[in-house]
Amino acid sequence: EPEVTQTPSHQVTQMGQEVILHCVPISNHLYFYWYRQILGQKVEFLVSFYNNEISEKSEIFDDQFSVERPDGSNFTLKIRSTKLEDSAMYFCASSEPTGQGPGELFFGEGSRLTVL
Amino acid sequence: AQTVTQSQPEMSVQEAETVTLSCTYDTSENNYYLFWYKQPPSRQMILVIRQEAYKQQNATENRFSVNFQKAAKSFSLKISDSQLGDTAMYFCASHNYGQNFVFGPGTRLSVLP
Repeated sequence: EPEVTQTPSHQVTQMGQEVILHCVPISNHLYFYWYRQILGQKVEFLVSFYNNEISEKSEIFDDQFSVERPDGSNFTLKIRSTKLEDSAMYFCASSEPTGQGPGELFFGEGSRLTVL
Repeated sequence: AQTVTQSQPEMSVQEAETVTLSCTYDTSENNYYLFWYKQPPSRQMILVIRQEAYKQQNATENRFSVNFQKAAKSFSLKISDSQLGDTAMYFCASHNYGQNFVFGPGTRLSVLP
């Protein structure tokens, strides 16, 4: 069964360092997302990506963050100059078009980021 | 703007019993979808059930069913014959056509043996 894959599963970094989280969405999907979940808290939307550009982003997704789809299969989230509060589980998701926009979200297993 | 509220932070149920998780949402759109996602401990989120707002019939998936009350903007999840493997966080989510998915804060369900 097709699935969304994320790497690394866990990354530990020093405050101020740059981190890149990788995602391979399901191959025929056209909508891509990043969500984050601080431990024990709700799932927060960061950004959605469609047709090679950001379609929507939240207030959380400031200049510190960027996304890229460099090669038609990977979908990366870059966090520049990480802060302690960036420690969270980051989920990638993808969905296919249904004729009325995105369909069901398929999530990856998440990348846990720990900023020290 | 879409909002999703889950008023029960935690719930527990005895194995084989039935439990209902509550969700209310707010949207000004007519075309939208509602979802329940399950997140087992340290695992990814998986879809449990979805409902198209234009369908009046409540969605069902085996032991999982919803009570969709469109006028009240309520979308509760009923789990029948609860199993230990149902222990997880359950997130209600809404999606307006052309917009983002919005998740509620989650309900932590514990199924007790």
